[in-house]
Formats: sequence, C-alpha cells, structure tokens
Amino acid sequence: GQSLEQPSEVTAVEGAIVQINCTYQTSGFYGLSWYQQHDGGAPTFLSYNGLDGLEETGRFSSFLSRSDSYGYLLLQELQMKDSASYFCAVRFFQTGANNLFFGTGTRLTVIP
Amino acid sequence: ETGVTQTPRHLVMGMTNKKSLKCEQHLGHNAMYWYKQSAKKPLELMFVYSLEERVENNSVPSRFSPECPNSSHLFLHLHTLQPEDSALYLCASSQDRGTGFGRGGLNEQFFGPGTRLTVL
Repeated sequence: GQSLEQPSEVTAVEGAIVQINCTYQTSGFYGLSWYQQHDGGAPTFLSYNGLDGLEETGRFSSFLSRSDSYGYLLLQELQMKDSASYFCAVRFFQTGANNLFFGTGTRLTVIP
Repeated sequence: ETGVTQTPRHLVMGMTNKKSLKCEQHLGHNAMYWYKQSAKKPLELMFVYSLEERVENNSVPSRFSPECPNSSHLFLHLHTLQPEDSALYLCASSQDRGTGFGRGGLNEQFFGPGTRLTVL
C-alpha cells in the first residue's frame, strides 16, 4: 500500500525557518505537492516537485528526493499567518485517474 | 461567483434523511472531486470525475452517491448516513493536463470551502 508520513505538530518562532518533512512508502508517482489549510478553511496549493531537487516560491521552498523517498517544505521568515496545517500529496501512475493521495498533515503553530 | 463554491456550508441531518451536497466550479476545469476530511485523519478521496469518466474509492459506502451532470457541477447524494459520517466534505476541481513527469504531472486542485456535515 501507499503511505505518506508527516510529523503531526511543529511549533516555531515568528521570523524563524521551519522544515516540514514528508516521507513516503510508495512508488510510481508523478511528483510531490504541498497544500496549506487554515482552520475552517479550504486547502490551497503551495508548491509542486515533479523532478528531484528544490523548488522556490517566495518564502516557501519544497524539495524532493525520490532515491531517499523523502521530501520537505521549507518556510522562511515565518509569520503568524503561517499557522496552519500543511499536507503533502502525490499523484499516482494510474491510467485515467487524476487523483491525489494526501499525507497525514502537519499542524504548524507560529509563536511570537 | 469565482473559484469553487459549495452549498450548504453546514448541514445537520438524521440517519433516515436524504440530502444532497452541491458543488460548482467557475474555473473551466475538466475534473472534479469529492473528499472527506475527518478530525485527525488525512484527506480521503471519495470520487473523481475526470473527462466524464468516474473513478471511485472502493472503500466509500454506497450510502454516498455522486452525480456529475456536466463539467461545472458536482453533487453528493446522501441517504441513511451514520454518525461516523460526520465530517467536512470538500469539493475540488482541476484541469487534467495528462500525465508525465515534471510539470506535466502537476495536478493542482482548487478546493471549495466545504460542507460541515453532522449526522445525528
């Protein structure tokens, strides 16, 4: 079966850098995506790694290493508004399917 | 209206009721999805409609029945639900770009605000 594991909770200080890891036990997927969800809100897309390496989008960066079955989301210059849940997700090799499989989610709390 | 909308936002129903959740996307996408989000659990994909083909998660009980009359509208019909079905039901849409590595494999999904369902 497939699984995507993330730490359940992370706490960091405003202005700091935090890394949220995603380890997986699966094969045959196109790439790793990251979504952010604030309490009471809908998940919103943050980043995507289709190939190994680092992708940077403003304060957020994401990394994928297929050989290590590992990826991470890096948030820099943390702001209070970054307090939310973060999910990694993969899209599998399935002809005709267009689905995402989500990880367990990491709740990030930013403190002053 | 922009993005993905869902109605109702909150729904309380008894186990013998029949109700429907509605989703509408205004993004011109060709794929729509239903997800279930329960507390402390990952988002669970329930149904996918992509290019008029339906894909479903075989673990979803038959008391949930989807309907997709066109590429912009998606319904989830509910009947004889159980209390454990109480959850946030999220609709999403995306533009199917085909398959492949690199950006070709990206499947950015746009989510609606969800319907908070409580089954008594």
